[in-house]
Amino acid sequence: DTGVSQDPRHKITKRGQNVTFRCDPISEHNRLYWYRQTLGQGPEFLTYFQNEAQLEKSRLLSDRFSAERPKGSFSTLEIQRTEQGDSAMYLCASSQLQREVSDTQYFGPGTRLTVL
Amino acid sequence: AQSVTQLDSQVPVFEEAPVELRCNYSSSVSVYLFWYVQYPNQGLQLLLKYLSGSTLVKGINGFEAEFNKSQTSFHLRKPSVHISDTAEYFCAGNSGNTPLVFGKGTRLSVIA
Repeated sequence: DTGVSQDPRHKITKRGQNVTFRCDPISEHNRLYWYRQTLGQGPEFLTYFQNEAQLEKSRLLSDRFSAERPKGSFSTLEIQRTEQGDSAMYLCASSQLQREVSDTQYFGPGTRLTVL
Repeated sequence: AQSVTQLDSQVPVFEEAPVELRCNYSSSVSVYLFWYVQYPNQGLQLLLKYLSGSTLVKGINGFEAEFNKSQTSFHLRKPSVHISDTAEYFCAGNSGNTPLVFGKGTRLSVIA
């Protein structure tokens, strides 16, 4: 299996601009998660999908953030009108839903966003 | 709500010495626990996981962890560390097929 891939790896933008990140999960994985990690902290959950359905959104996900997974494969995360506080590493993870125990999430390399 | 606490933010250790990174969890429902490692400017790599069965879990790179329900702990151990083990380590948990809740991380620094 190829792993989870994310594009771009780095993004520098000016405050007020829109940015979009892409995540390609491990093939056949039906779950896809987005997390945000700020400096010196552990990742924090943003949102997740099962196939193309968005199942849950964190309170961290303001209305400037939107995520899609239109065909149940890759996903995009868009941030509109970026703010300096959006600067962080955005991590994507994928997994296969399990019946008896928990799924195991595999992470991509992340997209580091810097808002100037 | 589930929470995960990593008791040490930084752990320095000499090369070839043993190390233990501590993790405690709180949950009123079934709990599944994971340890991930993060090297600088990279994503998270799964070290090991506890889903069910034996409470002693072995992972990659010589790491192991023990699930202790009475002490609500899932400490990570390695009997002899290498310089290449220098990284950030995250403990995480969930209640099954749900988003992970992460601790704040422990920075392991291996000293030559």
